[in-house]
Amino acid sequence: EAQVTQNPRYLITVTGKKLTVTCSQNMNHEYMSWYRQDPGLGLRQIYYSMNVEVTDKGDVPEGYKVSRKEKRNFPLILESPSPNQTSLYFCASSLSLRTGYMNTEAFFGQGTRLTVV
Amino acid sequence: AQSVTQLGSHVSVSEGALVLLRCNYSSSVPPYLFWYVQYPNQGLQLLLKYTTGATLVKGINGFEAEFKKSETSFHLTKPSAHMSDAAEYFCAVSFGNEKLTFGTGTRLTIIP
Repeated sequence: EAQVTQNPRYLITVTGKKLTVTCSQNMNHEYMSWYRQDPGLGLRQIYYSMNVEVTDKGDVPEGYKVSRKEKRNFPLILESPSPNQTSLYFCASSLSLRTGYMNTEAFFGQGTRLTVV
Repeated sequence: AQSVTQLGSHVSVSEGALVLLRCNYSSSVPPYLFWYVQYPNQGLQLLLKYTTGATLVKGINGFEAEFKKSETSFHLTKPSAHMSDAAEYFCAVSFGNEKLTFGTGTRLTIIP
């Protein structure tokens, strides 16, 4: 079954304690991205990756890191979490939205609800 | 910069009534347009998309949307609401690159 798997689904942590949210896809997709969802703000892109070893900042990258060492995995790292990073996080993957891949869609994980106290 | 606006953060309709969720975008180039649905405690699922061709697009669960270039709109409709349609709906836009820009979402409530 084609899917994007995020772990954990729920996480409560304390300010400053490093954490990693994992994301894995089994569709051989080139493009992967991380979003955070906050009430009234919709989904905002944190980081994205166009392929292995190629990552770039999205709209709200401050306080986050990512890596793309393998095509299937795209972990999100919070080196020193703060309460303003309490949010619902989604990982997504797709073939590509560039011309030539118009009939593609983004597949989303189930989400990770992070609370930083 | 590309942007998308969803009018109405909350919409309530009676079961069996027409569902209309509004989405407008700003762009100087042809967009790719998407509607996603999010059920409680789940990720986003693609409802429908417009890339090129026919401007009336049909999606899953009886939803459809029409791309109107002159109005820069891509409103989502369903003729008859069902209780299972209660969810949050997101309009999203892309301009031929990988980046998806999402609207702020519309929460749809169905009144029995």
